[in-house]
Amino acid sequence: QVQLQESGPGLVKPSETVSVTCTVSGYSINSGNYWGWVRQPPGKGLEWIGSIYRTGSTSYNPSLKSRVTMSVDTSKNQFSLNVTSATAADTAVYYCVRVIVGATRGFDYWGQGTLVTVSS
Amino acid sequence: QSALTQPASVSGSPGQSITISCTGTSGDIGGYKYVSWYQQHPGKAPKLLIYDVSDRPSGVSGRFSGSRSGNTASLTISGLQAEDEADFYCSSYATSGTLLFGGGTKLTVL
Repeated sequence: QVQLQESGPGLVKPSETVSVTCTVSGYSINSGNYWGWVRQPPGKGLEWIGSIYRTGSTSYNPSLKSRVTMSVDTSKNQFSLNVTSATAADTAVYYCVRVIVGATRGFDYWGQGTLVTVSS
Repeated sequence: QSALTQPASVSGSPGQSITISCTGTSGDIGGYKYVSWYQQHPGKAPKLLIYDVSDRPSGVSGRFSGSRSGNTASLTISGLQAEDEADFYCSSYATSGTLLFGGGTKLTVL
């Protein structure tokens, strides 16, 4: 079955870059779905970060667009997220997701999430 | 753009039906048929219940149903069960290509 697994640094210093990678198993990234990232600050709600297609085409949340870059590596069946100039407000559980249809119309598979803490 | 508006909490007894509302604007819920609903148990990743306003992914119970009227979307859970107790989030595609989430609703099964 489709499985997603995030890997990240756990702790990032302010002003540095949050980098998280998602490895997909049981399903090819080339199969035609968009893939994305959603984050959740501790005790708070969900926030969409962006979505990416196998071709590298992206759609980003306008509120984060200036600091976000997403990429895809089809040879490794992985996709990645970078958030630059990190602050405490970027502290969150970062989830990678598969989009059921289109770029944002529903996230049907989720990774378990990885907590990234921004602190000195 | 602001988050979608959900009630902070709702409750119901086993066997009852409850409805969670999600209010937006004509620039999101009212303008696009792209509303989704998620259930999140504590410490777990969210689970997709509904997409495109009223479609259920394979494997999701028929007790969960979605609808939309104007700028408000709704999730109805029928035959409430103890295991339905969780946080629920709505989301909608919005003008300029972004995706908005609601603030979340905590469902308590009495």
